[in-house]
Order: sequence, then structure tokens, then C-alpha cells
Amino acid sequence: AQKITQTQPGMFVQEKEAVTLDCTYDTSDPSYGLFWYKQPSSGEMIFLIYQGSYDQQNATEGRYSLNFQKARKSANLVISASQLGDSAMYFCAMSRLYSGAGSYQLTFGKGTKLSVIP
Amino acid sequence: SQTIHQWPATLVQPVGSPLSLECTVEGTSNPNLYWYRQAAGRGLQLLFYSVGIGQISSEVPQNLSASRPQDRQFILSSKKLLLSDSGFYLCAWSMQDTGHQPQHFGDGTRLSIL
Repeated sequence: AQKITQTQPGMFVQEKEAVTLDCTYDTSDPSYGLFWYKQPSSGEMIFLIYQGSYDQQNATEGRYSLNFQKARKSANLVISASQLGDSAMYFCAMSRLYSGAGSYQLTFGKGTKLSVIP
Repeated sequence: SQTIHQWPATLVQPVGSPLSLECTVEGTSNPNLYWYRQAAGRGLQLLFYSVGIGQISSEVPQNLSASRPQDRQFILSSKKLLLSDSGFYLCAWSMQDTGHQPQHFGDGTRLSIL
């Protein structure tokens, strides 16, 4: 069974500093996808970044980068130059194919609450 | 571009009353559709998913049901709400049969049962 672990319930970072949010995963599937989502206090889930299990390079999207270490089964999110608007819950998720249903399913971690301090 | 609409944004219902939450997707065809529930301070729990009209799969046994009467419409229902049905409900869509793709979420419905 797939499992996502986010060990940091809450994190604080000074504005303009970089921060790393940890995510480890467990799967026996050779093909999987790793995602990070941001959930502000308003509730919507915003897709940030994706990393495929076969991708050789770490994914980057603007100020977001994913530090993918396949052997360690970790997929940490790095946010550079933190802004006050980055304060939110952050969820790591992993996808796998449910072959019987023909659908890719996501398993989510429990999230990390990031607070950016002015 | 694709958009997903979910309503209502907030709902307060008495125990034992029925429920209907609606979700529609625009700008894409034949999407996979999902209903999730998020308890306060917790991660997301997948409730239902659908790969096509009339095709519904349930992940957990519960007091809820889902239907997909049209290609881009997904409805979450209950005949009699329980206190434990309170939570934040999110609808999501993804491209079908295109590998590992992100799911895109609606703004959610906050459901309070009294």
C-alpha cells in the first residue's frame, strides 16, 4: 500500500528566507508521481509542482522546487524567498494507477502548516 | 482553459436532512472526477471517483452516494445526514488515461451538521 509521511506539523520561516518542507513516501510501484499542493485558509487546494518517478531532473516551478531523492524515497518541497502569502497548509501527494478502475489515484499526507513571519 | 465549479460554498444542515452537492467542470471532455472529504486539521480522504458517465467507484463505506449524470457533472448526495458527515468537501478533476497527472480542485464546500 502507498503511504505519504509529512513529519512536520508546523514550520516557521522568516520572510525572504528559503524553507524546506519534508515528504517521504513508500511504494512498491516502479511508476508513480509526486505532487505538492498548497491550501490557504480559504480552503482551495492549489497544485504547485509535479515530479515523475522516472524524471532525471528535479522539478522547478518559479519559487518552488522539488528535491527528489529516489533512493531515500523523499520528495521535499523547497520554497525560495518566502512571502507572507506563502502562509498555508502544504500537502504532499503520490499517484498510482488503479488498473482495475483505469484511474490514477492520489494518496495525501497529513500536511504541514507553514507560517511566514514578517 | 479548464475550470471547476463547486457549490454551495457553505452549508448548514440538520441531522437527518438530505444533501446534494454539485460539481461541474468546463473546458475539457471525459475527465476523471473525484469527491474528497477533509476533516478539520486533517488530510484528504477520497470518497468517490468516476471515469465516465454513470460509472462510480466508492473508496469507503459511508452514508453518502455519488452520481455522474453528465460527462462533466458530479453530484454528492445523502438521504439522511449524520453528525459525522460534517467536514470540508472537495471536488476534483484530472485528465483521463494520460499518465500521472495532477488533480485540480474546486473551492470546496464547508458542511456543518447540527
